[in-house]
Amino acid sequence: AQRVTQPEKLLSVFKGAPVELKCNYSYSGSPELFWYVQYSRQRLQLLLRHISRESIKGFTADLNKGETSFHLKKPFAQEEDSAMYYCASRGGGADGLTFGKGTHLIIQP
Amino acid sequence: EAGVAQSPRYKIIEKRQSVAFWCNPISGHATLYWYQQILGQGPKLLIQFQNNGVVDDSQLPKDRFSAERLKGVDSTLKIQPAKLEDSAVYLCASSQQDQETQYFGPGTRLLVL
Repeated sequence: AQRVTQPEKLLSVFKGAPVELKCNYSYSGSPELFWYVQYSRQRLQLLLRHISRESIKGFTADLNKGETSFHLKKPFAQEEDSAMYYCASRGGGADGLTFGKGTHLIIQP
Repeated sequence: EAGVAQSPRYKIIEKRQSVAFWCNPISGHATLYWYQQILGQGPKLLIQFQNNGVVDDSQLPKDRFSAERLKGVDSTLKIQPAKLEDSAVYLCASSQQDQETQYFGPGTRLLVL
């Protein structure tokens, strides 16, 4: 079974500081990895997926198969980045997503 | 385009009662998912439909949960009878086809007393 681990429930950084949200996955095949974000009072939405290799809102994430990680990074945090962030995986022919427990990111002014 | 719609937004029931949730996916989306999100956890897939057929219901507690998507558009998820541990947010998501980006609805928050 797939498993996604986000070790930090809460991460607080100051505005302008770098941000790294950790995500590790367990899957022996070639999974697809995603980051979803939920801003206050909004619905869950896709932030980025590893196959597109995009930078969205200044965030990037690199799939490291050796370390089975897909950490989310941003060099300079902004207050509007405060939200819940969920790492998710998909693989093995299944379309449904397996989510981590989420990390609550707080950007302090 | 309109997003995924869900109703009701909130529901409070007593244990052993029945409850039903409704989802209207984005127009033209063939794939529909129901997820359960317990407080402090990430969403967990309950069931996936492709048009009106079930693709994956391996994590659906079939003794009390049921879901249908009769005409391949709207879907309902039912719990009968409800237990305290069913208290959660029930999220509906849809995608154009399988393997495509999933778009989530606002969720239905269920509290079982």
